[in-house]
Amino acid sequence: QVTLRESGPALVKPTQTLTLTCTFSGFSLSTSGMCVSWIRQPPGKALEWLALIDWDDDKYYSTSLKTRLTISKDTSKNQVVLTMTNMDPVDTATYYCARIPNTIYGVYDYWGQGTLVTVSS
Amino acid sequence: SYELTQPLSVSVALGQTARITCGGNNIGSKNVHWYQQKPGQAPVLVIYRDSNRPSGIPERFSGSNSGNTATLTISRAQAGDEADYYCQVWDSSTPHVVFGGGTKLTVL
Repeated sequence: QVTLRESGPALVKPTQTLTLTCTFSGFSLSTSGMCVSWIRQPPGKALEWLALIDWDDDKYYSTSLKTRLTISKDTSKNQVVLTMTNMDPVDTATYYCARIPNTIYGVYDYWGQGTLVTVSS
Repeated sequence: SYELTQPLSVSVALGQTARITCGGNNIGSKNVHWYQQKPGQAPVLVIYRDSNRPSGIPERFSGSNSGNTATLTISRAQAGDEADYYCQVWDSSTPHVVFGGGTKLTVL
């Protein structure tokens, strides 16, 4: 079955770079149309889309955060990595990775459980 | 950039019908997806491509999309339906993913 799991530090200091890893199983990111994406949710607030990488290694970023984000994949390890530079307390959020099985419709059918990242000195 | 507008909150009496709207410019031309999120949990897909239910989602959940408004309808609302609901589209022109601001459903 399809599963996704986020991992990374629970606490980062302001100005540091955050690196999160999404490890997935049950599908291949080499399959045509397949994508993995990162979404975050500050405590008590709405979902915010961050970035997406597709089977063809095309990458797309939130307009407001694109200067700080880098997404990459390691197909052999079934992993997608997100880095976010210059972290700030407002970046405190639960970070989710999720799968889009087909870029035609762009629907997230499976999500990870999320990982809470707190930015504090 | 494309924006989706949802009401902050919707209340419904137990057993009645709740309707949650999602507004966007010509949203009827897009595929709209809906997610349910309960406290402390990841979002769960409840409606995809406007009106389709994933397996395991009760028939009480339905969706429609026309003009500038998409609607998630929950019939015979239950206490267990209390959650935040988010609409989402894939803006293929950019391409970006867009989420609505979320609606908190309260079952009275």
